[in-house]
Amino acid sequence: QVQLVESGGGLVKPGGSLRLSCTASGFSFGDYYMNWIRQAPGKGLEWISYISRTDSNTKYADSVKGRFTISRDNANSEVSLQVTSLRVEDTAIYYCARVGRGAVSGTSLDLWGRGTLVTVSS
Amino acid sequence: QSVLTQPRSVSGSPGQSVTISCTGTNSDVGAYDYVSWYQHHPGKDPQLIIFDVRRRPSGVPDRFSGSKSGNTASLTISGLRSEDEADYHCSSYAGTYTWVFGGGTRLTLL
Repeated sequence: QVQLVESGGGLVKPGGSLRLSCTASGFSFGDYYMNWIRQAPGKGLEWISYISRTDSNTKYADSVKGRFTISRDNANSEVSLQVTSLRVEDTAIYYCARVGRGAVSGTSLDLWGRGTLVTVSS
Repeated sequence: QSVLTQPRSVSGSPGQSVTISCTGTNSDVGAYDYVSWYQHHPGKDPQLIIFDVRRRPSGVPDRFSGSKSGNTASLTISGLRSEDEADYHCSSYAGTYTWVFGGGTRLTLL
């Protein structure tokens, strides 16, 4: 079954850290670029990070640059997001998403997980 | 504040059509024909329904169609069905592997 499953979310105090993981199955994970996107309560989606197939190229939104780090382990079909120096405004559902290829344009996100909730509160 | 502007909500009756707009700038929607639309039933995974402005992935009904004029893209859903009730998010590729999104539109069936 082709799917992405996120984990690692939880309740954390401001200034704290978490490691979010996304495990892929049903497809050749190493062939795809990956992203993390988040949705704060009552807000729209926000793209936050991208990683290339070989971990050699990463991108971050300004809102998380310097605090979040994306990485991947192709052997275990996993992409991770280390989130540090967390703020109340980082409270959101965090989704991983695959960049399309082949029949679907490489400028769209053709597979998403159900997300993992991160709550930052004292 | 989301980069792309969408109406917060739209509504329609079964069988009718609705159109959701998505307004950006010359740096995103207006710069590329790379607008995507995602359907999201809360609690489930978002689904890609339109990419490259007007193309549909395999399995997406042709009731869903996309278009663009200048800095505004649109998603039209015709022949509304109960299962279409969901949140719809537009997105534009913004170059060098970055993306921008709209604030999302809640579609309610009357």
